Amino acid sequence: DTGVSQDPRHKITKRGQNVTFRCDPISEHNRLYWYRQTLGQGPEFLTYFQNEAQLEKSRLLSDRFSAERPKGSFSTLEIQRTEQGDSAMYLCASSLGSRVQETQYFGPGTRLLVL
Amino acid sequence: GNSVTQMEGPVTLSEEAFLTINCTYTATGYPSLFWYVQYPGEGLQLLLKATKADDKGSNKGFEATYRKETTSFHLEKGSVQVSDSAVYFCALQMDSSYKLIFGSGTRLLVRP
Repeated sequence: DTGVSQDPRHKITKRGQNVTFRCDPISEHNRLYWYRQTLGQGPEFLTYFQNEAQLEKSRLLSDRFSAERPKGSFSTLEIQRTEQGDSAMYLCASSLGSRVQETQYFGPGTRLLVL
Repeated sequence: GNSVTQMEGPVTLSEEAFLTINCTYTATGYPSLFWYVQYPGEGLQLLLKATKADDKGSNKGFEATYRKETTSFHLEKGSVQVSDSAVYFCALQMDSSYKLIFGSGTRLLVRP
């Protein structure tokens, strides 16, 4: 199996611009997660999908953030009107199964820098 | 709310030294507990996990025991190698949610 892939790996943008990140999970994985990690901190949960349904969203996910998983395969995370505080590593993970405690497999992340 | 606290790093050890990285948690209920590792330039990888009290997770010479009485899940290894240099994250997951709640991470540096 190929692992979770994310694109782009790095993104530099100016404040106020919109950005979109893509995540391709491991094939057949039904659950997909987005996390955000700032320097020196652990990842923080943003949202997760089971197939195409978005089932949980963190309060961290403000109105400027939107995530989709249109066909239950890849997912996109869009940030509108970026702010400097959005600078972080955005991690995607996927898992297969029907139980909590199943292993989440993480991608390499997309590092966002907002100038 | 539910949270994880890890010892601050960096932890610097000589090769073949004994490693302990402390992790304690606060949770309403009985979470599953995980250790993830992030090697330089790589994504997070699951190292080990334990899903109920007194369970011991183990992998690659690392061990951690789920201690309900002390709400802890300390990571140990008897003899570290240079290749173990990485950032280690403790995390919990409640039965009611698929999200992982991570600690802030502990950087380990092993010198030859």
